[in-house]
Amino acid sequence: EPEVTQTPSHQVTQMGQEVILRCVPISNHLYFYWYRQILGQKVEFLVSFYNNEISEKSEIFDDQFSVERPDGSNFTLKIRSTKLEDSAMYFCASSPRPAIIRNEKLFFGSGTQLSVL
Amino acid sequence: AQSVTQLDSHVSVSEGTPVLLRCNYSSSYSPSLFWYVQHPNKGLQLLLKYTSAATLVKGINGFEAEFKKSETSFHLTKPSAHMSDAAEYFCVVGFYNTDKLIFGTGTRLQVFP
Repeated sequence: EPEVTQTPSHQVTQMGQEVILRCVPISNHLYFYWYRQILGQKVEFLVSFYNNEISEKSEIFDDQFSVERPDGSNFTLKIRSTKLEDSAMYFCASSPRPAIIRNEKLFFGSGTQLSVL
Repeated sequence: AQSVTQLDSHVSVSEGTPVLLRCNYSSSYSPSLFWYVQHPNKGLQLLLKYTSAATLVKGINGFEAEFKKSETSFHLTKPSAHMSDAAEYFCVVGFYNTDKLIFGTGTRLQVFP
């Protein structure tokens, strides 16, 4: 089965630094997502993205966050000035149709563990 | 309010015995329902999804889930656990008016020989 790939698997950064988390969605998918899981907490939705625009974002996704599809294959999440509380596992996902369609399956990557020191 | 509750944070079973992972949801509408599994250092993999064609849904690796609207439940079962089933299992709910999937807190399944 095709896979969503995320790099790096682990990222360590200093508080206040910018980080970019990278994802390669499945090639024929059009809808892209970021989720995160803080240690011991639920997996939380951050943002959905389609046609080079944010479709939906959560209250977590503030001005410190941005997403981009810089070329035909990558989908990135940028955190401009990282905080300690940004430490989490970040999951990228993609789907051929939007998640809002009933029972649409999302394909998730294995995640990037971000540690902010 | 829309929410999902996984009633057990940890479940331990012996190999060859049945598995039951419980999930309840709260919604004013019929939601989309999924179970995802996460093995160590792997992505979230879809086990099964409810499609409204049948209340009993069969998934991969011998797992099943039964949708019970009256109980707002979507419990995951497997007749006979295998060592390779040890993983974290997430009940996930989607709603008609949002891209956002809501995850349960997860249930860690341990399988003992």
